Amino acid sequence: QKEVEQNSGPLSVPEGAIASLNCTYSDRGSQSFFWYRQYSGKSPELIMFIYSNGDKEDGRFTAQLNKASQYVSLLIRDSQPSDSATYLCAVNIIGRGRANSKLTFGKGITLSVRP
Amino acid sequence: GAGVSQSPRYKVAKRGQDVALRCDPISGHVSLFWYQQALGQGPEFLTYFQNEAQLDKSGLPSDRFFAERPEGSVSTLKIQRTQQEDSAVYLCASSPGGGAGGYGYTFGSGTRLTVV
Repeated sequence: QKEVEQNSGPLSVPEGAIASLNCTYSDRGSQSFFWYRQYSGKSPELIMFIYSNGDKEDGRFTAQLNKASQYVSLLIRDSQPSDSATYLCAVNIIGRGRANSKLTFGKGITLSVRP
Repeated sequence: GAGVSQSPRYKVAKRGQDVALRCDPISGHVSLFWYQQALGQGPEFLTYFQNEAQLDKSGLPSDRFFAERPEGSVSTLKIQRTQQEDSAVYLCASSPGGGAGGYGYTFGSGTRLTVV
């Protein structure tokens, strides 16, 4: 089992719909969780992070975390064509101490928003 | 600098050639990470520096890969005797504190390496 799994996708939604992107992780010691957006040919850019169980909202984006189920998701409300990109889930895996932590990424989910 | 700077942006190497990829992190950032991203995949961890110390090199795929950060700022990833399977985008990222911290990190634009 991979440490971070993003198995669904590609995902296509109409403009104005809610896009739901899901991610599971295997390390119960993981403490922080990130969503990066990557446009084709560009580098990943951070859009949200979450530490605590529950929801965290930022504009049209909501990150949801359920540590018991080892599940993190990203909801994009009122999807726009400009949201079309690959969304990468990343988990902070603590190595030998917090100072050695690094992000482990899933393979990404490609979202296409149809005008 | 204002962001993470990587050079060259693109590199074409003949199989067997040595290459060096450069990363200039955000000024003052303690931690520096190298990742490899193959087409259609997420970034895969290669190595991590805290200042000039290489604390984790568990992701380097072979002894042909070598990274350094001698003065705790600019880093170089060197690949010796390149092979076709080395073709990928090499991403550098930095973060202000030790490790990935609580806020993730900022990526550079990457170097796209093509081995022919």
